[in-house]
Amino acid sequence: DTAVSQTPKYLVTQMGNDKSIKCEQNLGHDTMYWYKQDSKKFLKIMFSYNNKELIINETVPNRFSPKSPDKAHLNLHINSLELGDSAVYFCASSQEKGGTEAFFGQGTRLTVV
Amino acid sequence: QQQVKQSPQSLIVQKGGISIINCAYENTAFDYFPWYQQFPGKGPALLIAIRPDVSEKKEGRFTISFNKSAKQFSLHIMDSQPGDSATYFCAADTSYGKLTFGQGTILTVHP
Repeated sequence: DTAVSQTPKYLVTQMGNDKSIKCEQNLGHDTMYWYKQDSKKFLKIMFSYNNKELIINETVPNRFSPKSPDKAHLNLHINSLELGDSAVYFCASSQEKGGTEAFFGQGTRLTVV
Repeated sequence: QQQVKQSPQSLIVQKGGISIINCAYENTAFDYFPWYQQFPGKGPALLIAIRPDVSEKKEGRFTISFNKSAKQFSLHIMDSQPGDSATYFCAADTSYGKLTFGQGTILTVHP
């Protein structure tokens, strides 16, 4: 059983398209996150949800919109994709909203052409 | 603004040697300092973590040393093995969950 699962693993799309990445965790955690890892492997938080409530919203273009239908799911929708959006996106979850282990999914490699 | 600075960017060690990665932070609100290990094509996974009320934590071959006054912490990998070859990230977190990562260190352990 995968603790944090993301789909798809790979996503290749053209500029201007809209795409979604789905994430599910079966750990019973209250907090979920989206992180972006760029080509230099730098990891940066984008969003954090605690009990379906948005608690962290970093300086991310508003083309990125997270949606949390329930505590176990956090999806990421991206509008009008740009070349610079190409990166690996990681979903993660943790029991509490800070100071505890974060469990990461396997990542979604997004390539915008 | 890079709140957690990590060095070196890359590190090559012989099998059996000691690998040392250093990190420095700025925000005194950080109160949880984990290290994550990432293999190619995988997500980061927690390796070991420390809170600022202790100066050292050891788990097997992995040790974190923490210097609160200097706002620095480091990871020591004893008896480094080829299987330890991965990217290592230090990180710092607060009670409201904004986990901030260092830039990462690519560790290569030669057999």
